[in-house]
Amino acid sequence: KAGVTQTPRYLIKTRGQQVTLSCSPISGHRSVSWYQQTPGQGLQFLFEYFSETQRNKGNFPGRFSGRQFSNSRSEMNVSTLELGDSALYLCASSTGTSGNYNEQFFGPGTRLTVL
Amino acid sequence: AQSVTQPDIHITVSEGASLELRCNYSYGATPYLFWYVQSPGQGLQLLLKYFSGDTLVQGIKGFEAEFKRSQSSFNLRKPSVHWSDAAEYFCAVVPNTGGFKTIFGAGTRLFVKA
Repeated sequence: KAGVTQTPRYLIKTRGQQVTLSCSPISGHRSVSWYQQTPGQGLQFLFEYFSETQRNKGNFPGRFSGRQFSNSRSEMNVSTLELGDSALYLCASSTGTSGNYNEQFFGPGTRLTVL
Repeated sequence: AQSVTQPDIHITVSEGASLELRCNYSYGATPYLFWYVQSPGQGLQLLLKYFSGDTLVQGIKGFEAEFKRSQSSFNLRKPSVHWSDAAEYFCAVVPNTGGFKTIFGAGTRLFVKA
């Protein structure tokens, strides 16, 4: 079974631009979560989608948004990029069964650099 | 507020020596507890998890962790470290109230000396 894939793996943008990152979960998984990893703040939860609905949200500004498609693939978008948005963005998928925790499987991440 | 503390930013051990990485959490009830490993340029790999029951849990790659409720700790151990264990290790919690909001510690970078 293929693992979680994220595209692109590396991205360079300039301040003020917007960016869209993509995540394809493991086949059959319906939950996709996004995390931001930076040297200063560590790993921080952005949001989680389940069956095309945002189910949980972290403490990030509205510039960070996401969506999930009917095939469970997810995208996250960052508008008006700031230097501080430079980070490794990790996606994780799970079966997402409500009421119980299911193991999350992480993708390799997208390294975003904002110049 | 919920938090996870990994007091050691980095640790250096000799190959073949034992290892213990510390983790303390702050949460009202016992959450789900995890240890992940991240190699450079890679995503996170789950080493082991604790939900309930036996407080000593076995994981992959020869790792184990012990949950101590009285100390709010979940320390990771390995009896004999291999050079390939050099990586960053993250302790994490998920509140057992539903949802998947994982709270990670700051991580401990492990260096292995030959």
